[in-house]
Amino acid sequence: DTAVSQTPKYLVTQMGNDKSIKCEQNLGHDTMYWYKQDSKKFLKIMFSYNNKELIINETVPNRFSPKSPDKAHLNLHINSLELGDSAVYFCASSRDRGSLAGELFFGEGSRLTVL
Amino acid sequence: RKEVEQDPGPFNVPEGATVAFNCTYSNSASQSFFWYRQDCRKEPKLLMSVYSSGNEDGRFTAQLNRASQYISLLIRDSKLSDSATYLCVVTFNDYKLSFGAGTTVTVRA
Repeated sequence: DTAVSQTPKYLVTQMGNDKSIKCEQNLGHDTMYWYKQDSKKFLKIMFSYNNKELIINETVPNRFSPKSPDKAHLNLHINSLELGDSAVYFCASSRDRGSLAGELFFGEGSRLTVL
Repeated sequence: RKEVEQDPGPFNVPEGATVAFNCTYSNSASQSFFWYRQDCRKEPKLLMSVYSSGNEDGRFTAQLNRASQYISLLIRDSKLSDSATYLCVVTFNDYKLSFGAGTTVTVRA
């Protein structure tokens, strides 16, 4: 049973389209995250939710909208995709937040390619 | 200045060698420190936490120097399977964990 699962693993789409990536964790964790890893391999935090409450919202274009229907799920919707959105998007979870988070468990990543 | 900075490498070392590298952080109020490992085209996974007194896990030793604001990772007796990117993670407050850009290590036969 995969602890943090995200779908789809691969996504190839045209500029201007809208797409979603889904994430689910079965660890009973309270905090979930979306990270973006670009071609330079830098992992940048985008959003974090704690018990369905948005606690981190970094400088991300408002074309990106996270949604957390419950604490086990955190989805990412992207409107009007641009070439610069091409990256690997990682979902992660932890038992708590910030300095209390402990280990982060990552999903396998969703590789988005915008043509 | 970036919150967390690492030497990107790559560090190319022969099997059996010792390799060490650092990670510097800018916020003196940083609270927790970790090393993660990321294999090519895989997700990051926790390698070890870094404690104030320093800690070992097998061939891996992590140190924290709060005065100079850096953490270090030392790998002894390198194996081919140690080839990976090593990511430094620092927490600043109750909300934020920040990743370094990673240090790439390649162990050759």
